[in-house]
Amino acid sequence: RKEVEQDPGPFNVPEGATVAFNCTYSNSASQSFFWYRQDCRKEPKLLMSVYSSGNEDGRFTAQLNRASQYISLLIRDSKLSDSATYLCVVWYDYKLSFGAGTTVTVRA
Amino acid sequence: DAGITQSPRHKVTETGTPVTLRCHQTENHRYMYWYRQDPGHGLRLIHYSYGVKDTDKGEVSDGYSVSRSKTEDFLLTLESATSSQTSVYFCAISESQGTAYGYTFGSGTRLTVV
Repeated sequence: RKEVEQDPGPFNVPEGATVAFNCTYSNSASQSFFWYRQDCRKEPKLLMSVYSSGNEDGRFTAQLNRASQYISLLIRDSKLSDSATYLCVVWYDYKLSFGAGTTVTVRA
Repeated sequence: DAGITQSPRHKVTETGTPVTLRCHQTENHRYMYWYRQDPGHGLRLIHYSYGVKDTDKGEVSDGYSVSRSKTEDFLLTLESATSSQTSVYFCAISESQGTAYGYTFGSGTRLTVV
């Protein structure tokens, strides 16, 4: 079983729409949680950390459910520039584990 | 942006040949990592280094070796390249191993083994 699993998508949404997706992780001892963004053929970049209480960064909202071992990301008022692959990442034992990514395409 | 560069950016090589990828940083960070990324898989850790001459294996280390003779350089070698090693390779650096924050990735090397 993969440590981090994500729906690969793609999620195709119009500009201005809201899109949300989850990932699940298998290690209940995981310590930290993140969403990374990866543009086509580019390196991953940290989008935001995910806290148990939930947190927002502009149009992005992340949630963590430790009991069910899933993490979510919601994007409001989608922009064309939000088109990317979003990687769910968990931290345990000094190492990052990456999901395979969820692809989001925002259309005009 | 943090100073981390990978070379080459693209390489095509033949099965059975040795290949070395280079990661160079100008941040003086102690920790350096090599990952590979394949469709349907997340980034997977190949090897990492926690100082000069100090390295350890990751989850997919078979067929790979690394060396770090200077703080700024971390080399990944495929001793005898196979088609299964066709992938995108990312190097990453971090200042501290004790935190998940502060990872910076290089732009990647696309390796094709034919």
